[in-house]
Amino acid sequence: DAGVIQSPRHEVTEMGQEVTLRCKPISGHDYLFWYRQTMMRGLELLIYFNNNVPIDDSGMPEDRFSAKMPNASFSTLKIQPSEPRDSAVYFCASSTGTVIGEQYFGPGTRLTVT
Amino acid sequence: KQEVTQIPAALSVPEGENLVLNCSFTDSAIYNLQWFRQDPGKGLTSLLLIQSSQREQTSGRLNASLDKSSGRSTLYIAASQPGDSATYLCAVRPNDYKLSFGAGTTVTVRA
Repeated sequence: DAGVIQSPRHEVTEMGQEVTLRCKPISGHDYLFWYRQTMMRGLELLIYFNNNVPIDDSGMPEDRFSAKMPNASFSTLKIQPSEPRDSAVYFCASSTGTVIGEQYFGPGTRLTVT
Repeated sequence: KQEVTQIPAALSVPEGENLVLNCSFTDSAIYNLQWFRQDPGKGLTSLLLIQSSQREQTSGRLNASLDKSSGRSTLYIAASQPGDSATYLCAVRPNDYKLSFGAGTTVTVRA
């Protein structure tokens, strides 16, 4: 398996623009997670899905952030409008729903908002 | 709220020395604990996962222990190599799927 795939790997945008980050989980994994990593706050869970349904979005910082999972092999995280403080590395991870539930991470998208 | 602390924040050792990385957490009601490695500019690679009922897990030169009652885990890396240089993160999972991460320990192994 190719692992968790994220695109783009790098995104530079201007404040106020819409940004869409994409993720393809590992085939057969029914849990998908979006994280954000910054120097100040470390790794934070934003939202996670089970069987394409959002389960917990309490980590989403504000209404400018939204996430969807239209099918088992694709998810998006959208920021609209983007702000400089959104600059971070965004990771997607997936896992099975088994007892172990080990999470596998993608390579991340480095977002810079100027 | 679960707080996860990793000490030290950074560590530099000569090649061949054993590494000891510490992780502590405030709420002992965890389901499992996972150790990750992160190379600069890269994603996270899972190293070891310890279930709450287990005391330790081993993989090659890596050994992780878990003392749930005292809220501690230790990652041992035997006979360190320059290729072990990276940031090591621990994450604890309660009964749901929300991992809480420590800030990490950045390791440098000098050749």
